[in-house]
Amino acid sequence: EAGVAQSPRYKIIEKRQSVAFWCNPISGHATLYWYQQILGQGPKLLIQFQNNGVVDDSQLPKDRFSAERLKGVDSTLKIQPAKLEDSAVYLCASSQPGTASGNTIYFGEGSWLTVV
Amino acid sequence: AQSVTQLGSHVSVSEGALVLLRCNYSSSVPPYLFWYVQYPNQGLQLLLKYTTGATLVKGINGFEAEFKKSETSFHLTKPSAHMSDAAEYFCAVSRGSTLGRLYFGRGTQLTVWP
Repeated sequence: EAGVAQSPRYKIIEKRQSVAFWCNPISGHATLYWYQQILGQGPKLLIQFQNNGVVDDSQLPKDRFSAERLKGVDSTLKIQPAKLEDSAVYLCASSQPGTASGNTIYFGEGSWLTVV
Repeated sequence: AQSVTQLGSHVSVSEGALVLLRCNYSSSVPPYLFWYVQYPNQGLQLLLKYTTGATLVKGINGFEAEFKKSETSFHLTKPSAHMSDAAEYFCAVSRGSTLGRLYFGRGTQLTVWP
């Protein structure tokens, strides 16, 4: 079974530029998450989707971050304009509640962003 | 509210020695608890999880953890460290049956010396 796919793996941009990250969850997983992991810290949830609806975006800096999950499958996270403090790993994850593995969240390998 | 405290940002052990990584949590509801491992330049891989039932949980790569409600702890152990165990380990908690966001600790970097 294919895991959570993310792209690009690495991105370097200048501050005030924009960037977009793409995620394809595990097939059939209704719940999709974007986490931000700053160096030296644990991941922090940015946004959670259930199918194509937002469940929790309370920690998403909405003045510069946006995310969508059209059609309830893959998702895009955008940052515009980027700030230096946005340098982090952006982890996409997915889960499928109601199944044997439903209480497990599976993570992708992450998209590493450096803002200079 | 849910939160996790991992005691010790860095732990060093010799190969073959006991590994003990500490995790304490706070939760307003019965928690689900997880340990994830992160190797350099990779994402998070689930080591083990506690949801309900047996409080001693066995995971992959010889790791296990014990849920102690009275101590609000979920420490990770491995009897004998291997060089390949060197990585960063994250403890996380979620709101029990309403699985949603995971609340992570700051992580513990494990170094294994030959």
